[in-house]
Amino acid sequence: DIQMTQSPSSLSASVGDRVTITCRASQSISSYLNWYQQKPGKAPKLLIYAASSLQSGVPSRFSGSGSGTDFTLTISSLQPEDFATYYCQQSYSTLHTFGQGTKLEIK
Amino acid sequence: EVQLVESGGGLVKPGGSLRLSCAASGFTFSSYSMNWVRQAPGKGLEWVSSISSSSSYIYYADSVKGRFTISRDNAKNSLYLQMNSLRAEDTAVYYCARGVTILTGYSFDYWGQGTLVTVSS
Repeated sequence: DIQMTQSPSSLSASVGDRVTITCRASQSISSYLNWYQQKPGKAPKLLIYAASSLQSGVPSRFSGSGSGTDFTLTISSLQPEDFATYYCQQSYSTLHTFGQGTKLEIK
Repeated sequence: EVQLVESGGGLVKPGGSLRLSCAASGFTFSSYSMNWVRQAPGKGLEWVSSISSSSSYIYYADSVKGRFTISRDNAKNSLYLQMNSLRAEDTAVYYCARGVTILTGYSFDYWGQGTLVTVSS
């Protein structure tokens, strides 16, 4: 199975900060990488698909990049509603796997 | 509006069985693959199973293979997960999620609100 590793596991930041979350795959997955946001008690929400494409309705402060094994999710200017847990997910294999999550907290 | 509504969760003893359902509306259900994803309390997301639009292709995570069975009824716009030989580690919120293929890859673009399965004696 393809393992997905996110870093950091948690992160404290302030409103207005630029934040980057990293996701690394255990083998090359081309651009078959998605990012989700989950708030407490809620279902996950798709933010970015195919490594860098913004899902409809998602604010442009979110962006994704990378290919192969290394990927990043960047939030250009944190807003109060962005404090949540973020997950990457690979779809290169039909056995989809998620990263362990990165919890973004208010500093 | 796309809606996915899960049901069937509850408390079950180890070794027991449970059948989850997901009712879909607001889109042409028969045109999309569907998935189950679970989340143990306080833990991350774990993909469980996928089924193609016509049920031709079915995949399972190793952790549930041989115990869980995914199925769908396109006439009823419904997705199911039959869970047998349940273990404590199957305790989780189970989400159904629509699968979509755009550009490279496959993502889960709509999710239900989840249903809680608790396996305990």
